[in-house]
Amino acid sequence: QKEVEQNSGPLSVPEGAIASLNCTYSDRGSQSFFWYRQYSGKSPELIMSIYSNGDKEDGRFTAQLNKASQYVSLLIRDSQPSDSATYLCAVKNFGNEKLTFGTGTRLTIIP
Amino acid sequence: EAQVTQNPRYLITVTGKKLTVTCSQNMNHEYMSWYRQDPGLGLRQIYYSMNVEVTDKGDVPEGYKVSRKEKRNFPLILESPSPNQTSLYFCASSRDRVTDTQYFGPGTRLTVL
Repeated sequence: QKEVEQNSGPLSVPEGAIASLNCTYSDRGSQSFFWYRQYSGKSPELIMSIYSNGDKEDGRFTAQLNKASQYVSLLIRDSQPSDSATYLCAVKNFGNEKLTFGTGTRLTIIP
Repeated sequence: EAQVTQNPRYLITVTGKKLTVTCSQNMNHEYMSWYRQDPGLGLRQIYYSMNVEVTDKGDVPEGYKVSRKEKRNFPLILESPSPNQTSLYFCASSRDRVTDTQYFGPGTRLTVL
């Protein structure tokens, strides 16, 4: 079992709809969770971080964390073509200082 | 402008020829890391450093060396590159290990023939 799992996609969503990206992790000691966006040929950039159970909203983005079920998700409301990218989930365990990335989900917003 | 820089951005080399990829950040960050990104495998951490003269192995350290003599610089050294080290490499830095908001450099695409 991979430590951080994401559906590789591609995930196609119509413009204006809600895109839902999911991530599961195996290490119950994980304490910090991150979503990065990576455009083709570019470096990853942080979109959201979340540290406690529940929802965290930032503009059109909402991160959701459920530690009991070991999943974290990212919702993108009012999807725009500029949201088309690969989204990377990352999980941090402070005990071993390890930040582990998933392989990413490729999202395409269809105009 | 706050940034992480890497050089070179592109490099084609031959097996066994030692090379160094430089990484520098101007944000006074303590924490720096090197990752490689391969299709289907995602981003994997090679080495990280929590401060000057403090480095540790990540998930895939074999064949790589690093040093952290100054806070701003974290070079990645391939003593004897092999074709399986052909990859896209990213350097990243963060203010501390707690928040881990990593700022990534632009990447170095390395091809080893």
